[in-house]
Amino acid sequence: GNSVTQMEGPVTLSEEAFLTINCTYTATGYPSLFWYVQYPGEGLQLLLKATKADDKGSNKGFEATYRKETTSFHLEKGSVQVSDSAVYFCALSPWGGNQFYFGTGTSLTVIP
Amino acid sequence: DTGVSQDPRHKITKRGQNVTFRCDPISEHNRLYWYRQTLGQGPEFLTYFQNEAQLEKSRLLSDRFSAERPKGSFSTLEIQRTEQGDSAMYLCASMADRGRGSNQPQHFGDGTRLSIL
Repeated sequence: GNSVTQMEGPVTLSEEAFLTINCTYTATGYPSLFWYVQYPGEGLQLLLKATKADDKGSNKGFEATYRKETTSFHLEKGSVQVSDSAVYFCALSPWGGNQFYFGTGTSLTVIP
Repeated sequence: DTGVSQDPRHKITKRGQNVTFRCDPISEHNRLYWYRQTLGQGPEFLTYFQNEAQLEKSRLLSDRFSAERPKGSFSTLEIQRTEQGDSAMYLCASMADRGRGSNQPQHFGDGTRLSIL
């Protein structure tokens, strides 16, 4: 089947710290992988995506690399800001499939 | 591109009442999805439409839930005889269907938060 597992939160970091949020997946075939971000009271916004093995998605200083051998898509940022405080969701879309599968989300709080 | 729009943003109602939510997708997107999200969880798939056809429904979608997408444009999600457990955020998303395995992202609205008293 298809599923996504994210690291448990919440995560609290000081401003300018390094961020890693782990995501591993189980999928049939070759899925596309996504990271979404959700700010309080809002819907999910696409942060970045990768569509095949070894692809690196990047946006706003965030990066994630599609690792087929470890079935992982970990999110990283070298220096977080207070404005990065939000909930982050890892998701997959199976190749040729119709649904998206989301992880449970990881809450990030960045303190000044 | 004005994004995905959902209405209302908040709905408070008494148990047993019927509620209806509306979603207006991005205009050129032919796929439309409904999700339910509870606190501390990711979105859970409810149903999706390809144009006006409802192609898949989750087991989560009991017979009290019904969704429509007349003419393949906006969609409505109705919950009849609401229960306490229906309290959640209901999210709508749309995406362009460019063929099998096209790897397009979903674009989400800001959701409708339903509270059952």
